[in-house]
Amino acid sequence: AQKVTQAQTEISVVEKEDVTLDCVYETRDTTYYLFWYKQPPSGELVFLIRRNSFDEQNEISGRYSWNFQKSTSSFNFTITASQVVDSAVYFCALRASSDYKLSFGAGTTVTVRA
Amino acid sequence: SQTIHQWPATLVQPVGSPLSLECTVEGTSNPNLYWYRQAAGRGLQLLFYSVGIGQISSEVPQNLSASRPQDRQFILSSKKLLLSDSGFYLCAWRSLGQGRDEQYFGPGTRLTVT
Repeated sequence: AQKVTQAQTEISVVEKEDVTLDCVYETRDTTYYLFWYKQPPSGELVFLIRRNSFDEQNEISGRYSWNFQKSTSSFNFTITASQVVDSAVYFCALRASSDYKLSFGAGTTVTVRA
Repeated sequence: SQTIHQWPATLVQPVGSPLSLECTVEGTSNPNLYWYRQAAGRGLQLLFYSVGIGQISSEVPQNLSASRPQDRQFILSSKKLLLSDSGFYLCAWRSLGQGRDEQYFGPGTRLTVT
């Protein structure tokens, strides 16, 4: 069974601050995928990134960066120089490569104040 | 490009009434389709999964059912709604190929059972 833990329920920052969202996972599968999704107030889930378990290279996309550490079973997400538009609920998810199901964390609500 | 539609966007139904939510995908053929429910302030729960026409896998025993009458159409139904059926219902399709393997979500249907 897979489990994804997002220990931070809510994070509030002032615009231009950096914010890091923690994600810790548990799985017995040797090959799996990790994901981050953003859910703005409109409700639609927006896909941000997929990371394969065999690829521990960190990734940067604009103001977003992801730190995957297999040794600690973590896949953390950092927003640099946050903006009000970054305010949303962010979900971390896990899927075994042989499975069709995504296991989601409980989500972290990020509020960026102007 | 692929797009996913859901309707209605919002729905208020009395307890005991029937339900029909529709999801359609454009721009792809034979997609894997999913129904999720998100209760207020909580994470996502997978309800149903379909790999093709007439093929439905149920994840959680409940008051709901799903059908896939056409390749790109996925319907969520109930004969008699319960108060506990209230929530945000999201349809998703799985994008495969060309190095991709992730789920993309529709805009969702917000259901309130009164």
